[in-house]
Amino acid sequence: GAVVSQHPSWVICKSGTSVKIECRSLDFQATTMFWYRQFPKQSLMLMATSNEGSKATYEQGVEKDKFLINHASLTLSTLTVTSAHPEDSSFYICSAGSGNSPLHFGNGTRLTVT
Amino acid sequence: ELKVEQNPLFLSMQEGKNYTIYCNYSTTSDRLYWYRQDPGKSLESLFVLLSNGAVKQEGRLMASLDTKARLSTLHITAAVHDLSATYFCAVAENSGAGSYQLTFGKGTKLSVIP
Repeated sequence: GAVVSQHPSWVICKSGTSVKIECRSLDFQATTMFWYRQFPKQSLMLMATSNEGSKATYEQGVEKDKFLINHASLTLSTLTVTSAHPEDSSFYICSAGSGNSPLHFGNGTRLTVT
Repeated sequence: ELKVEQNPLFLSMQEGKNYTIYCNYSTTSDRLYWYRQDPGKSLESLFVLLSNGAVKQEGRLMASLDTKARLSTLHITAAVHDLSATYFCAVAENSGAGSYQLTFGKGTKLSVIP
């Protein structure tokens, strides 16, 4: 069964609104969670790395004020897309890892901003 | 900066044929992952390769890792239509806190035709 739960699976929102995506590790404690974005027919691009209890590390070109990441517990990380615009429409995927265990991926969230 | 090159990017093959997908990477790593992605879905973990010379097989797929050559291969034997998907390799770097950050190749879109 799934070890990383991502919610919601689909979201359609109006331009200018904010959207929160949750990523939960179900049966293990994830010291680190990763957020990726995937545009159609492209590979996954790492947006940020979050460690529980500390600030996220963002990849170059990713606006930290636009993509707010919170990793308040060892089982939950959230990504909030603030003031979303159509160009933010994408497939967002989280993954969680701990120790030497393989990274587990959530089922992804397809965001459409109209 | 770690670079991961995957080839081919597109592959169309007949059922019953064999083929190999290649994944080259630019810096030292001893941990490499292969994933499958179906359209609109998240990543499905296929293999984790943890050491030089590692070989793993599952059904018609076999993956290997040569850390000295910085090369991994995914070999497809007697392809069937159900294998049609996009395959990604991902190379791991230790991100601290006991977890690994992945850099993905661009993916190989495989179409198996009758």
